[in-house]
Amino acid sequence: DQQVKQNSPSLSVQEGRISILNCDYTNSMFDYFLWYKKYPAEGPTFLISISSIKDKNEDGRFTVFLNKSAKHLSLHIVPSQPGDSAVYFCAASALEYGNKLVFGAGTILRVKS
Amino acid sequence: KAGVTQTPRYLIKTRGQQVTLSCSPISGHRSVSWYQQTPGQGLQFLFEYFSETQRNKGNFPGRFSGRQFSNSRSEMNVSTLELGDSALYLCASSLGQGVPWNEQFFGPGTRLTVL
Repeated sequence: DQQVKQNSPSLSVQEGRISILNCDYTNSMFDYFLWYKKYPAEGPTFLISISSIKDKNEDGRFTVFLNKSAKHLSLHIVPSQPGDSAVYFCAASALEYGNKLVFGAGTILRVKS
Repeated sequence: KAGVTQTPRYLIKTRGQQVTLSCSPISGHRSVSWYQQTPGQGLQFLFEYFSETQRNKGNFPGRFSGRQFSNSRSEMNVSTLELGDSALYLCASSLGQGVPWNEQFFGPGTRLTVL
């Protein structure tokens, strides 16, 4: 049962444009969401997080939006840069489940220059 | 501030052997979580340790175990290795309590290959 889904395996964007990565979840207990960026053979790098009491969180070029009623979150990267090319993972957690993060399958982002 | 470190970075073992992986969390972090990444299953939670106690456990067989020391360093052990245990093992540290309690920062991982 995949509780966190990233339905787009890959996304290609032109440098300077907006990248939008999407994530859906099914478990209404999830109350904290995180985005990670990962290069091959490296550990995931934390990008940004959002609590379920908010609907938006912004950090520099990265903004995460949360729509609880739709059980959907998205990561916006503006402007996209070639160095943003990586695999992006969405993760969710619930206070009741402790520190366990449930990850989506990831989306490969390619930013073309 | 130093990041999360994991040793060794690469390991090659044969079926039936056992292996121990080590993780040193970020200074001040008391929670250490372990994850397995494989092409087929993605990133899967193994277990979490907080203040030397296992606080949470994923759906892995008992061959996978861990422990945490008083300095928050953690080890993960896999006994009777199987071919399917070949994976990237990732350790993540977080505060474990307070705000933001669950922002987890990952180490570079240990690539385990079982032959």
